[in-house]
Amino acid sequence: AQSVTQLGSHVSVSEGALVLLRCNYSSSVPPYLFWYVQYPNQGLQLLLKYTTGATLVKGINGFEAEFKKSETSFHLTKPSAHMSDAAEYFCAVSADTGNQFYFGTGTSLTVIP
Amino acid sequence: GAGVSQSPSNKVTEKGKDVELRCDPISGHTALYWYRQSLGQGLEFLIYFQGNSAPDKSGLPSDRFSAERTGGSVSTLTIQRTQQEDSAVYLCASSLEGAWDTEAFFGQGTRLTVV
Repeated sequence: AQSVTQLGSHVSVSEGALVLLRCNYSSSVPPYLFWYVQYPNQGLQLLLKYTTGATLVKGINGFEAEFKKSETSFHLTKPSAHMSDAAEYFCAVSADTGNQFYFGTGTSLTVIP
Repeated sequence: GAGVSQSPSNKVTEKGKDVELRCDPISGHTALYWYRQSLGQGLEFLIYFQGNSAPDKSGLPSDRFSAERTGGSVSTLTIQRTQQEDSAVYLCASSLEGAWDTEAFFGQGTRLTVV
């Protein structure tokens, strides 16, 4: 089975500052990892995903995440926060030998002008 | 349809009444999930349907909650004798069973308010 832990249910950054949202996973088999974003009053949409190959993956709106097997992490970063990045972010894991997606509880990002 | 469809988008009900929430997954998606998102809270897993297998009901918070999936497609989440703490956004998602390197697709959710 797989599981996901998102450290920090709320993160605040200043506009223009680095965004770092943490995700650690547990999986006994090679994982597939996902980040979703939920803007206010909207549904969840895929931000980026890691399946195989390059461990640094780029997503929409300037976000990227790096799969680090040794640290069982898949942290989401963006070099410079924008006001429009304020949203809820969810990390998720799945695997070929699993049977569903497992989601973290989410991190709410606030961007301070 | 093109995406996951949920209805109604908003539902206001009186405490003690039963409600039914509907989810139409993407055609061909055999895996279907229900989640609950309370105000200021993250995603809470409720139930998971995988093809013809018995559903994973481990997330249902009480026996007032039940869900079914007819014909491997449309799913209905039923909440009996609603309580105020049931107020939340109920999200449905679907995915291709066995294609775990593809994403789960979410509907826009049903906002349930129990007064």
